[in-house]
Amino acid sequence: QKEVEQNSGPLSVPEGAIASLNCTYSDRGSQSFFWYRQYSGKSPELIMSIYSNGDKEDGRFTAQLNKASQYVSLLIRDSQPSDSATYLCAVLLSGTYKYIFGTGTRLKVLA
Amino acid sequence: GAVVSQHPSWVICKSGTSVKIECRSLDFQATTMFWYRQFPKQSLMLMATSNEGSKATYEQGVEKDKFLINHASLTLSTLTVTSAHPEDSSFYICSARRGLAGTGELFFGEGSRLTVL
Repeated sequence: QKEVEQNSGPLSVPEGAIASLNCTYSDRGSQSFFWYRQYSGKSPELIMSIYSNGDKEDGRFTAQLNKASQYVSLLIRDSQPSDSATYLCAVLLSGTYKYIFGTGTRLKVLA
Repeated sequence: GAVVSQHPSWVICKSGTSVKIECRSLDFQATTMFWYRQFPKQSLMLMATSNEGSKATYEQGVEKDKFLINHASLTLSTLTVTSAHPEDSSFYICSARRGLAGTGELFFGEGSRLTVL
């Protein structure tokens, strides 16, 4: 079982819709979770971090964390073509400085 | 967000030469930095963890004598690809951890695209 799993996609959504990206992780002790966006040919950029169960909102982005289910998700409201990118989920392994990245979900927002 | 600068962005070199890539955290001190490589359409591959003032920790399968990492200060880590060969051509990305242990966010440099002829 991979430590951090994401559906590779592509996930296609129409402009203006909500894009829902999901991630599961295997380390039950992990407490820190991150979402990154990576455009083709560029390095990842941090979108959000989340540490507590529940929702965390930042503009059009909402991260959701459920530690009992070992599940973290990212919702993008009012999706724009400029949101088309690969979204990486990352988990900080408990008791370490090691960040484990998923393989990413490619999102396509259709104009 | 925090700023991590990586230089050079692009480098082309001849086979057998060495290339040094710098990674700087510009507005915070980073005791821990990470080096990744990424091939086209593939995920990030962690190469090594760089800790200020100590030896880097390399991931399995990464040759430490080929990929020399130095983290001499709290704001600078360097990766030197020694005796580069075409198969070393890749996108190399550094990241720096900001914040307390257990909660720190990672910020990435812009990446360095290496082409070895």
